[in-house]
Amino acid sequence: NAGVTQTPKFQVLKTGQSMTLQCAQDMNHEYMSWYRQDPGMGLRLIHYSVGAGITDQGEVPNGYNVSRSTTEDFPLRLLSAAPSQTSVYFCASSSMDGGRAEAFFGQGTRLTVV
Amino acid sequence: AQSVTQLDSHVSVSEGTPVLLRCNYSSSYSPSLFWYVQHPNKGLQLLLKYTSAATLVKGINGFEAEFKKSETSFHLTKPSAHMSDAAEYFCVVSDDTDKLIFGTGTRLQVFP
Repeated sequence: NAGVTQTPKFQVLKTGQSMTLQCAQDMNHEYMSWYRQDPGMGLRLIHYSVGAGITDQGEVPNGYNVSRSTTEDFPLRLLSAAPSQTSVYFCASSSMDGGRAEAFFGQGTRLTVV
Repeated sequence: AQSVTQLDSHVSVSEGTPVLLRCNYSSSYSPSLFWYVQHPNKGLQLLLKYTSAATLVKGINGFEAEFKKSETSFHLTKPSAHMSDAAEYFCVVSDDTDKLIFGTGTRLQVFP
């Protein structure tokens, strides 16, 4: 069972470059989300989606775009990378159960912006 | 607004001794609470969750947590630590919108 698949696992970008982090899930989950993990700060929500065609901002959305054209895929776009976006990024999915459902996480993407 | 506070950023124990990782929460709703574990260079895995049923929750690998509403706490315990328990642990609260609010994490070290 694949679960949540993130690609790439590692990426180095130059300041100003753009890229897309891919996320796909095969569990037919409605809810998908992107987090960034920085030392001492836990995971912070960037963007989330409650279904195809519906996205919304989380706690730290600036500098990131998302779209959700299918239930399975939820890509995260960095339009013009900045050193402050150096972080580990996690995609997660869950069913929608009033906050009670387990979230399933991808393996993470370690992004360095130089 | 909801929040969680993990009271220790690092906890060190000897193998075979008890583990206590502390978490306090703040929520205006009846919250769902979770503990997730992250082993080095891995994704996060659910250890256990509380969703308004039994206040003592048992999870995987011998971990358990007790929901105490009067103390707004959800501490994680294990009677006997194993070397493989060394990891980062996150306390998480959720409201009925399915958003997860993470604590800042507790790194558990286990010494032989």
